[in-house]
Amino acid sequence: DAKTTQPNSMESNEEEPVHLPCNHSTISGTDYIHWYRQLPSQGPEYVIHGLTSNVNNRMASLAIAEDRKSSTLILHRATLRDAAVYYCILRGILYGSSNTGKLIFGQGTTLQVKP
Amino acid sequence: GAGVSQSPSNKVTEKGKDVELRCDPISGHTALYWYRQSLGQGLEFLIYFQGNSAPDKSGLPSDRFSAERTGGSVSTLTIQRTQQEDSAVYLCASSLGVIENSEKLFFGSGTQLSVL
Repeated sequence: DAKTTQPNSMESNEEEPVHLPCNHSTISGTDYIHWYRQLPSQGPEYVIHGLTSNVNNRMASLAIAEDRKSSTLILHRATLRDAAVYYCILRGILYGSSNTGKLIFGQGTTLQVKP
Repeated sequence: GAGVSQSPSNKVTEKGKDVELRCDPISGHTALYWYRQSLGQGLEFLIYFQGNSAPDKSGLPSDRFSAERTGGSVSTLTIQRTQQEDSAVYLCASSLGVIENSEKLFFGSGTQLSVL
């Protein structure tokens, strides 16, 4: 799987929007961009994923650059509950390869939300 | 059940003992994954199953680690002759399948293993 680069940490104020960046300059055409987050003392949870177009769901929005070399996870109004480690992951597919399937997590971005 | 279930939630063992960690995936999910997370670290991939077979065991740290899955459902991760460096949270996840790279993973809450 191609590598992603994220800032180690970010801070936000409660009820303000948060933009979490991710660089993935070696992304291939079949790689999906996935975001997961891990709240303290919990397993990771799925946030959103996309391929080329921007995506919205009840949790967040995903803005994907036109060249797909970067993306941004947008939390529209941060709450204290959004304090977590956010992981940006590329998931590719290699037919007939043992690389198919596994999701490789990097160090992620630790988001602190201040009241 | 509604989500991925792992047991036990906490396990304290003595160095040199064997431990078994269990994962019950979401019903109908054919893919199952094991990860390890040491204190303050990111997730380390260990192994994944598609059905009962494990196409990728590349992440298992040593031959003391093994995993099996039976009936396409429950999986057991076994650590033999535990060492202190095995102390970590062991996380299990499942997904509907593995072939589609848009599939999302659902994680359990993990088993906190402490080796004294």
